[in-house]
Amino acid sequence: DAGVIQSPRHEVTEMGQEVTLRCKPISGHNSLFWYRQTMMRGLELLIYFNNNVPIDDSGMPEDRFSAKMPNASFSTLKIQPSEPRDSAVYFCASTGGDGNEQYFGPGTRLTVT
Amino acid sequence: GDSVTQMEGPVTLSEEAFLTINCTYTATGYPSLFWYVQYPGEGLQLLLKATKADDKGSNKGFEATYRKETTSFHLEKGSVQVSDSAVYFCALSDFGNEKLTFGTGTRLTIIP
Repeated sequence: DAGVIQSPRHEVTEMGQEVTLRCKPISGHNSLFWYRQTMMRGLELLIYFNNNVPIDDSGMPEDRFSAKMPNASFSTLKIQPSEPRDSAVYFCASTGGDGNEQYFGPGTRLTVT
Repeated sequence: GDSVTQMEGPVTLSEEAFLTINCTYTATGYPSLFWYVQYPGEGLQLLLKATKADDKGSNKGFEATYRKETTSFHLEKGSVQVSDSAVYFCALSDFGNEKLTFGTGTRLTIIP
């Protein structure tokens, strides 16, 4: 299996632009998580889905952030409009419920100038 | 709510030294406990886990024992290598809950 796939790996954009991050979970996994990692705040859970349904979005920082999971093999995290404080590494992870082990993707490094 | 407290870093050790990274937790139920490792430029990956009291998780020479009486899950390795340099995260998930609660991470650097 290829593991969790994220794209792009790096994104540099200007303040005010829309950013879309993409994630393909491991085939057969039924839960998907979006995290943000910064030096200041560490690793934060933004939102998670189970069977394509958002279960907990309490970590989404504000209305500029939105996430969708239209099917079991694809999810997006969108930021519009982006701001410099959104600069971070964004991770996607999935789990198939096997003892709750989460498998992480390689991350997308976002820089907003 | 649930929380994980782990040793502040950074930690710098010489090769072949003994390693301990402390982790304590607060949980309302009977959590499963995990150590994840993050190598530079990569995502987190599971290092080891334990699902009930007195269980010992082990992998790649690392060990951690689930201590319910002290609510701890300290990570240990008898002889570290340069390749162990990474950030280590302690985490828990409550029974029946897929969400993980992570500690802040401990950066470990091993010098030859």
